[in-house]
Amino acid sequence: RKEVEQDPGPFNVPEGATVAFNCTYSNSASQSFFWYRQDCRKEPKLLMSVYSSGNEDGRFTAQLNRASQYISLLIRDSKLSDSATYLCVVNPPGQAGTALIFGKGTTLSVSS
Amino acid sequence: DAGVTQSPTHLIKTRGQQVTLRCSPISGHKSVSWYQQVLGQGPQFIFQYYEKEERGRGNFPDRFSARQFPNYSSELNVNALLLGDSALYLCASSLGRDGTKMNTEAFFGQGTRLTVV
Repeated sequence: RKEVEQDPGPFNVPEGATVAFNCTYSNSASQSFFWYRQDCRKEPKLLMSVYSSGNEDGRFTAQLNRASQYISLLIRDSKLSDSATYLCVVNPPGQAGTALIFGKGTTLSVSS
Repeated sequence: DAGVTQSPTHLIKTRGQQVTLRCSPISGHKSVSWYQQVLGQGPQFIFQYYEKEERGRGNFPDRFSARQFPNYSSELNVNALLLGDSALYLCASSLGRDGTKMNTEAFFGQGTRLTVV
């Protein structure tokens, strides 16, 4: 089983749609979780951290289910500018904050 | 405030050569990590340094090495380059210890695109 697995995608949606990405992770002791966004040929950018209680930032909502080792990202009212690859990221336990483990990414294409 | 800066942005090397990539973290950040990203994949962890000590190493051969300097900048060295080393090399900086907790939110530089021919 891969350490972080994401929906294969690509997701092609019209403007205004709601889209959800799912991710599972294998290390049950992982403590930090993130969603990153990566535009074509650019560096990944932190979209949001994911907390057990769930968190929301504008049109974006992230959820964490530790029991199921499952992370989700919901994007409401999609914009053209949301088109990018979304990376699910897990930080396994470690004294100094060890490696970030990335999923392969899910590509989102929003069309008008 | 300057973000994470990496140099060079692009590089072309031939097989068998050696390369050194450089990274300056965000001011105040003490942790630097290196990642390799090949086309169509997520970044893969190579090394992490915190307070100038290696704190983590990914599944990469010994041809890959790194170090962190007293000013927290870092270098990644790759010896005996192979065609398969062609990739985007990303440096990420994070705060490290924030009080009693580790702040692991990582911020990436624009990367160095290495092409081995």
